[in-house]
This record gives sequence, C-alpha cells and structure tokens, in this order.
Amino acid sequence: EPEVTQTPSHQVTQMGQEVILRCVPISNHLYFYWYRQILGQKVEFLVSFYNNEISEKSEIFDDQFSVERPDGSNFTLKIRSTKLEDSAMYFCASTRESYNEQFFGPGTRLTVL
Amino acid sequence: GNSVTQMEGPVTLSEEAFLTINCTYTATGYPSLFWYVQYPGEGLQLLLKATKADDKGSNKGFEATYRKETTSFHLEKGSVQVSDSAVYFCATNRDDKIIFGKGTRLHILP
Repeated sequence: EPEVTQTPSHQVTQMGQEVILRCVPISNHLYFYWYRQILGQKVEFLVSFYNNEISEKSEIFDDQFSVERPDGSNFTLKIRSTKLEDSAMYFCASTRESYNEQFFGPGTRLTVL
Repeated sequence: GNSVTQMEGPVTLSEEAFLTINCTYTATGYPSLFWYVQYPGEGLQLLLKATKADDKGSNKGFEATYRKETTSFHLEKGSVQVSDSAVYFCATNRDDKIIFGKGTRLHILP
C-alpha cells in the first residue's frame, strides 16, 4: 500500500541554523500539507500546497518558513533560522482530492538546541 | 470555525473492556469527522471517518456515529486489546485542512 514517507526521522540542530525537512507524498496525490505537533499539544496546520503554490498558510507559517516541490516527488519544508520554539514533530500529509481524508507520514522530530 | 473537543486522557483499561472516547464538534456547514490513531513511534493513521449526519464509520472493531443532534462523534470499541494502546485524535475539516483535537492517550493492561 502506498504511503507518505519523511526524512529524517529525527533532526537535531542549533538555534539559528537552517533545516530542511523532506517528504515524499503518495505518487498520484495533488494536494500537500505540513502540520506540526509541539510535545503534549495538539496537531496544528501549517500550510497547504497545490499546483506548485501555497493554497493557505496559518499564522504560525511566518517568513522563516517556506515550502517547495523541487521535483516530481519531493515536498520540502524549510525553516530558515530555527528558534527553540520550533522544536516539534512535523508531519507531512497528502491527498488526491481536496476536502478528502489526508494521508500522513510518520513525522520528523525536530529538536532545536 | 470548525473545531473538536475530546476527553482528556490518559485512559487506562483492562483488556476486553468496553471503550468510549468522547468527542464533540462545533461547525458551520456539514464537515466530515475523523478519528486518527498514533501508535507508539509511528505517524498519524486514519482509523475511521464519517461524512454526513447519521453516518457510522467503523474499522478494526472501532465505531463512531456522526450525531448532529448532540454534535458528537464518540469513539467506541466493545472489547479492547493491548495492541490498541495508542493516542487517538478526533478531527474535523475546515476548508481543506484537518483540525485535530488534543488527543487521548489509551493504555490497555493485559
């Protein structure tokens, strides 16, 4: 069964460094998402992406964040200058049709020191 | 906007006990409702869903009914197993994004 994959599973970085989190969505899906879950808190929407552009972004998704689909398979989340409060589990999701169920990856745990 | 509220955990039960995890929603329009599960060390998996009032979603022995009159989508299972130990998230959609509850951690004791 096809699934969403994410790499790395755990990323440790120093405050102020740039990180890129990678996702490979399910191959025939067209809509892509990033969510995050700070430890002990709820899963929050960050951004949605369709047709090579951002469809919607939350207030969390400020100028330090960017997303890209650099080729036909990868979907990346970049944090330009990480802060301590960016430490969280980041989930990628995809779906074939908007408003449908979304399929989530296993997550990348980001730790900012 | 659309949101869900679910019961706080953790919930600890013995194997073969009956499970209920409460979830209520607030919404404009007619949202879909979901239960996602996160097993230890894994990502979020869709457990079941319902797209309209009175729909019942079911999977792996779990059930939830979309009740408009009580704005609820409670998760139930008649006889839980140790392997059901996980975090369960009630969720709804708003536009095309998923809105999650805080999650309920479930421990099943052998």
